[in-house]
Amino acid sequence: DAGVTQSPTHLIKTRGQQVTLRCSPKSGHDTVSWYQQALGQGPQFIFQYYEEEERQRGNFPDRFSGHQFPNYSSELNVNALLLGDSALYLCASSSGGAGEQFFGPGTRLTVL
Amino acid sequence: EDQVTQSPEALRLQEGESSSLNCSYTVSGLRGLFWYRQDPGKGPEFLFTLYSAGEEKEKERLKATLTKKESFLHITAPKPEDSATYLCAGSSNDYKLSFGAGTTVTVRA
Repeated sequence: DAGVTQSPTHLIKTRGQQVTLRCSPKSGHDTVSWYQQALGQGPQFIFQYYEEEERQRGNFPDRFSGHQFPNYSSELNVNALLLGDSALYLCASSSGGAGEQFFGPGTRLTVL
Repeated sequence: EDQVTQSPEALRLQEGESSSLNCSYTVSGLRGLFWYRQDPGKGPEFLFTLYSAGEEKEKERLKATLTKKESFLHITAPKPEDSATYLCAGSSNDYKLSFGAGTTVTVRA
């Protein structure tokens, strides 16, 4: 049974560029949440997608946007990258948004 | 706003030396208190969910407990493979998790 998968594993971008990160949820899950984790910090909630719509959003600017596809997979897009966007981006899946969220291995984004 | 605070920030233990990690939370209408384990450069691995004060859950050398204001993760007779960062998170609805900064545990052989 495949768990949550994310791609790419690592990514290096320069300031001002745009990036797209991808996530496939655990089999049987229909909800995807995205988190940003800076070094030495706990994950910070970005937003959650359910039934192809953004259901809740954390304190992140509009430069952060997302999408969920009919097969429940999801993308996180970040525009106009800043140095401070360098972090580990985590995708978590759950069933109906409730209960336990299971995390993928993350995408390490470095902005130069 | 939901707030989760973990202490200590770091814990160094000798193999077999039991200890406890603390997670204090201010989450209105707590729906769940979650514990995760995270190894360096990897995603958090789910350990436990606690839903109500007085609840306890165990897994191998780990035991999690919950009161109305805090949760504890007890590590009994730890081994070097228990070295990791342990994250605590609260949920006030079915959606987002509010995480603490974590406690990094190092167990020396």
